[in-house]
Amino acid sequence: DAGITQSPRYKITETGRQVTLMCHQTWSHSYMFWYRQDLGHGLRLIYYSAAADITDKGEVPDGYVVSRSKTENFPLTLESATRSQTSVYFCASSESSGSYNEQFFGPGTRLTVL
Amino acid sequence: GENVEQHPSTLSVQEGDSAVIKCTYSDSASNYFPWYKQELGKRPQLIIDIRSNVGEKKDQRIAVTLNKTAKHFSLHITETQPEDSAVYFCAASKPGRRALTFGSGTRLQVQP
Repeated sequence: DAGITQSPRYKITETGRQVTLMCHQTWSHSYMFWYRQDLGHGLRLIYYSAAADITDKGEVPDGYVVSRSKTENFPLTLESATRSQTSVYFCASSESSGSYNEQFFGPGTRLTVL
Repeated sequence: GENVEQHPSTLSVQEGDSAVIKCTYSDSASNYFPWYKQELGKRPQLIIDIRSNVGEKKDQRIAVTLNKTAKHFSLHITETQPEDSAVYFCAASKPGRRALTFGSGTRLQVQP
């Protein structure tokens, strides 16, 4: 599990500010994902990436931007933070080989938007 | 898109009893069904998964069953222990799309 890290682990920001959450994995996994976790909703997919320079929207992409210039990094940016984006954000990664692959989750970032 | 419903939202059992958590999914094309355990303040971790070509899978005290016709799958934990207390999530994904759709979670509490 030490192979996937997130930073910062905790972040407090104000409405309207831009915030970037970082995700880094050392396994060279092709796939990376961003989920948000809110009480009563489980984990919901924001964006995912199949490889460097390939990204796609998930269930709740509005207000978020991602990029993947390198295989190991998958930053998530909140362009203008809103209170509804207060949540715990999890990054995950998985291999590309085979038809089904376990997703490995990072430790999470707890974001509070005031 | 895919929709995964999970029941119950909370479950309390006595140590040594069995626990069953059920999930239904909407997309018949889904073919991969993992279960994750999340302890308080920690990341989700895979505990067992099942593919659509298998009806049941067991790993020590945990088992998962899949009914493709009814589009539901269940997690069974036998001989529960206090350390089984956590939130459990089911999920589903389709071929060619590795992103998971999660259920809303079940908080399991095992009373010693």
